[in-house]
This record gives sequence, structure tokens and C-alpha cells, in this order.
Amino acid sequence: EAQVTQNPRYLITVTGKKLTVTCSQNMNHEYMSWYRQDPGLGLRQIYYSMNVEVTDKGDVPEGYKVSRKEKRNFPLILESPSPNQTSLYFCASSIRQGGAEAFFGQGTRLTVV
Amino acid sequence: EDQVTQSPEALRLQEGESSSLNCSYTVSGLRGLFWYRQDPGKGPEFLFTLYSAGEEKEKERLKATLTKKESFLHITAPKPEDSATYLCAVQAGANNLFFGTGTRLTVIP
Repeated sequence: EAQVTQNPRYLITVTGKKLTVTCSQNMNHEYMSWYRQDPGLGLRQIYYSMNVEVTDKGDVPEGYKVSRKEKRNFPLILESPSPNQTSLYFCASSIRQGGAEAFFGQGTRLTVV
Repeated sequence: EDQVTQSPEALRLQEGESSSLNCSYTVSGLRGLFWYRQDPGKGPEFLFTLYSAGEEKEKERLKATLTKKESFLHITAPKPEDSATYLCAVQAGANNLFFGTGTRLTVIP
């Protein structure tokens, strides 16, 4: 079954404690991306990757890092989380450049206190 | 500035009552317009791609249409299982999508 898997689904952490949200896809897609979803603001792209070792900033990259060492994995790293990063995060993958017709993961609800 | 606006924010329909959701956009160089469905607690699920004005796509009770400035998602004789948030997204540049804030649809039995 085609899937994008994120872990964890829920996370509560404290300000400044580094964390990683993992994302893995089994469809051999080259394009992957991370979004955050906030009430009234919709989905906003954080980072995207067009292929292994190729990543670039989206619309709201501040405070986040990513890496793409393997095609299937695209982790999101928050080196020093702050309360304004409390949000619902989605990883997505697509066979098409630009992320169109993407498959999304189930989401990670992050709370930073 | 690229912008995607969806209306209404929320819509309540009786089962069987047809209606339309709107997505208006201002982007330079539209490469595609996409509709997604999002159920509570889940990631968005892709529904349709539209590329050019006049294009239409259908799936079960849903039909998406595109003009030069907006897209409509028509829902014919909706059922309670059609209740969800419907998201519109546009691809303007080569590498990213802009999403609207969605329309939350509730279909009452």
C-alpha cells in the first residue's frame, strides 16, 4: 500500500529541547516536502526536497532543518523548539516536481511548552 | 503576490442538497490547480488536478471546474460521508504549492 509514514503522531516537548519528526515514503518519489497547518492560515510549506541531497526553503523555514540522505526518508529537525512552533505538521511526497498530487502523511501534532 | 482564497469558510447542507465551493486565485503563471479532501485528524487526500480554463474533472458526486480566475467544486446530492474540509491549492512556481484555508463541509442526514 502506498504510504507516507510520520512519527510520532503526537509530541509534547519543552522549549529548547531538540527534536526530530521522521517521515518515510514507500513510493520511490523524488519530491518530498514538509508543511505546517495552523487555524486560519492553512497549509504552509516549510522545506522541500527535489531529490537526495537536494533541499530548499519553502515559505516558513525559520527554526527548522531538514535532510535527505536517502530517497525514502525526509526528517524534520527542530534544533531549539519554541512555543510558536506548536502546530500540526504534515509530510508529503509526490511523483511530480512541485509537489502536485501529493500523498500526505497522517500528521504530527506538536506542542511546545 | 500569489494568493488563494476559498469560500465559504464553512457550509452546512442537508443530505441531497447540491451546492458549490469556490476557490479564487491570483498567481502568475498557473501550472495547475488541485483539490484535496481532509478528514479530521488525517492528512489531505488528493482529489483532482485542473490545468487550463474550461477543464472539468468528475469523481462520484464531485465535479471540479476551472476558469481563468477561479475554480469550483460542485457537490451533487451530497451524503453525510462527504463531510470534510476541502482544500484548494495552486502551483505557480516550479517547486511549490500554495494552499487555501479550506471550506469545512457538513452534510446533515
